[in-house]
Amino acid sequence: QKEVEQNSGPLSVPEGAIASLNCTYSDRGSQSFFWYRQYSGKSPELIMFIYSNGDKEDGRFTAQLNKASQYVSLLIRDSQPSDSATYLCAVNAGNNRKLIWGLGTSLAVNP
Amino acid sequence: GAGVSQSPRYKVAKRGQDVALRCDPISGHVSLFWYQQALGQGPEFLTYFQNEAQLDKSGLPSDRFFAERPEGSVSTLKIQRTQQEDSAVYLCASSLLQLNQPQHFGDGTRLSIL
Repeated sequence: QKEVEQNSGPLSVPEGAIASLNCTYSDRGSQSFFWYRQYSGKSPELIMFIYSNGDKEDGRFTAQLNKASQYVSLLIRDSQPSDSATYLCAVNAGNNRKLIWGLGTSLAVNP
Repeated sequence: GAGVSQSPRYKVAKRGQDVALRCDPISGHVSLFWYQQALGQGPEFLTYFQNEAQLDKSGLPSDRFFAERPEGSVSTLKIQRTQQEDSAVYLCASSLLQLNQPQHFGDGTRLSIL
């Protein structure tokens, strides 16, 4: 079992809809959680990070963390075609600064 | 500079040649990471520096891979006797020292071994 799992997609949503991206992790000691966006041929770009259970909102983006269930999700409200990209979930466990990455979920927002 | 800078952006080398990839982190960022990313995959950890100290090199795939950061700023990833399976994008990221600080990535170096 991979340590960080994401549905590969593609996830397709119409413009203006809410896109929901999910990530599960195996290490209960994980402390910090990151969502990165990666456009084709580009490097990962930080979207959100969350450390505590609950929701964290930043503009159209909301990260949700549930440590008991070991999942973290990213909601994108009012999705735009420019949101079409691969979304990578990364988890930092314990005192190790190394990030463990999922394979990413491909999101397509259709005009 | 404002962000992480990597050079070259693209590198083509013949199998067996040595290559050197450079990373200039964000000013003030103590932590520096190298990742390898194959097409359609997430980044895979290679090695981590805190200042000039290489604290974790568990992800380096073989002894042909070597990384250094002699003055605690610029880092170089060197691959000796390159093989075709080394073809990938090599990403460098930096962060502040404090645990849980997010990592910020450079544009990467796309390495192609012929």
